[in-house]
Amino acid sequence: QVQLQESGPGLVKPSQTLSLTCSVSGGSISSDDYYWSWIRQPPGRGLEWIGYIYYSGTIYYNPSLKSRVFMSVDTSKNQFSLRLTSVTVADSAVYYCARDRKRGPSSSWYLLGAFDTWGQGTMVTVSS
Amino acid sequence: DIVVTQSPDSLAVSLGERATINCKSSQSVLYSSNNKNYLAWYQQKPGQPPKLLIYWASTRESGVPDRFSGSGSGSDFTLTISNLQAEDVAVYYCQQFYNTPSYTFGQGTKLQIK
Repeated sequence: QVQLQESGPGLVKPSQTLSLTCSVSGGSISSDDYYWSWIRQPPGRGLEWIGYIYYSGTIYYNPSLKSRVFMSVDTSKNQFSLRLTSVTVADSAVYYCARDRKRGPSSSWYLLGAFDTWGQGTMVTVSS
Repeated sequence: DIVVTQSPDSLAVSLGERATINCKSSQSVLYSSNNKNYLAWYQQKPGQPPKLLIYWASTRESGVPDRFSGSGSGSDFTLTISNLQAEDVAVYYCQQFYNTPSYTFGQGTKLQIK
């Protein structure tokens, strides 16, 4: 059973960079079958997808955040990471890492288009 | 931008009764390549991450009770919870997937016991 665990500072100052890591246990981040995402949820509000990364380095970001987001993967540590630059109070949220999976034969696969496994989330507050 | 709108924002249903939550996408989520509707439903309880209930509009995730069912196609979808149990109190989100790629969530529906 794959488990995800987010880690990183809980407090970041405005204009600085938010950095988080998601550690994957019980399975390999290098599996062909999964795409790894970051999702955030401001307190009392809804969910926003930030972006995803594949173990080979393929990346897509939410266009609304694209200019400030950087994601990377470290297969040797079975981890992937998020950096969000120039943060403001509006970036305060619970940050989740999550997984989407492939379905179908290798010659004609498609994504589930949904997140079947989530980390517990980590609260990041942007404040001076 | 794709917009996903849920209704109602909140509802209260008696134990044992049926709860119905609607989700509308601003564009169709039906993929002609595999004839799948890329619409998912999640349940989120306080202090917990969302839990996947339904994907492809009507396919239950493994381990999800069969009182949860999804229906719809194109841009209009429904989550139905039959025989409501106390443990079903939660916020429910729908989420669409578009092949840009992008994932967009609805604003959530809070389900309570009447």
